[in-house]
Amino acid sequence: DAMVIQNPRYQVTQFGKPVTLSCSQTLNHNVMYWYQQKSSQAPKLLFHYYDKDFNNEADTPDNFQSRRPNTSFCFLDIRSPGLGDAAMYLCATKEQGTSHEQYFGPGTRLTVT
Amino acid sequence: AQSVTQLDSQVPVFEEAPVELRCNYSSSVSVYLFWYVQYPNQGLQLLLKYLSGSTLVKGINGFEAEFNKSQTSFHLRKPSVHISDTAEYFCAVSVISGSARQLTFGSGTQLTVLP
Repeated sequence: DAMVIQNPRYQVTQFGKPVTLSCSQTLNHNVMYWYQQKSSQAPKLLFHYYDKDFNNEADTPDNFQSRRPNTSFCFLDIRSPGLGDAAMYLCATKEQGTSHEQYFGPGTRLTVT
Repeated sequence: AQSVTQLDSQVPVFEEAPVELRCNYSSSVSVYLFWYVQYPNQGLQLLLKYLSGSTLVKGINGFEAEFNKSQTSFHLRKPSVHISDTAEYFCAVSVISGSARQLTFGSGTQLTVLP
C-alpha cells in the first residue's frame, strides 16, 4: 500500500545533541510537510517543500532545518535540541493541484534528556 | 487569515450514545474543511472532508459532518459511539500559504467514550 513512513517511531536524544528524523513516502506526492505537535496541542506547521522549493514558517526556530534530497525522502534536523523541543513530529504529504487532502505518517516521538 | 475554532476541549459520552463535536470556521470566499482523528501515539487519519457540493458529508467509521455556511460551522456527528472512538479529533481548514496549500488546525477535542 502507498504510504508515509517515519523512522524511528521513538527517538531519545540528549540536550544539545543533534538529531535527525526521517520521512519517506511511496505516494509520489510533490508536497511534503513537517509538523511539531506538543502534548495536548494541535499540530503546528514548521515548514513544507513543494518539490525542492523550501518554505519556512515565519516562527519556526533556526534550530530546525530540513532536507529533501529527492521526491521520496525528507529529513528534519534539530541542530541543538532543547527540553522544549520534546514533542511528536509528524510528516505529511499532498499532491499538488486540486487535491487538498494531506496524508500523515505515524509520527516520531522525540524525548530530550 | 482563515481559522477554525473547536468549542469543546473534552467531550465525555457513554457508549452507544450520539455525539456532536463542534467546529466553527472564519468566513471566506472558498472554504475547504476537514476532520482528522488521532489515536494515542499515532499520526492523523482523515475522517471526512468538505470541498464543494452536498453539505452533508459522510466519512469513515460512521461519522458525518454538515457544512453550514450561514452559521460558519462544520460539526462532526455520530449517532452511536463505540469505545474504540475514544481519540483526539481535529477540525482543519485548507489555506494557501507560500507555494502550496496547508492546513490550519483547531485546538482539538478529546472524545472519551465511557462504558
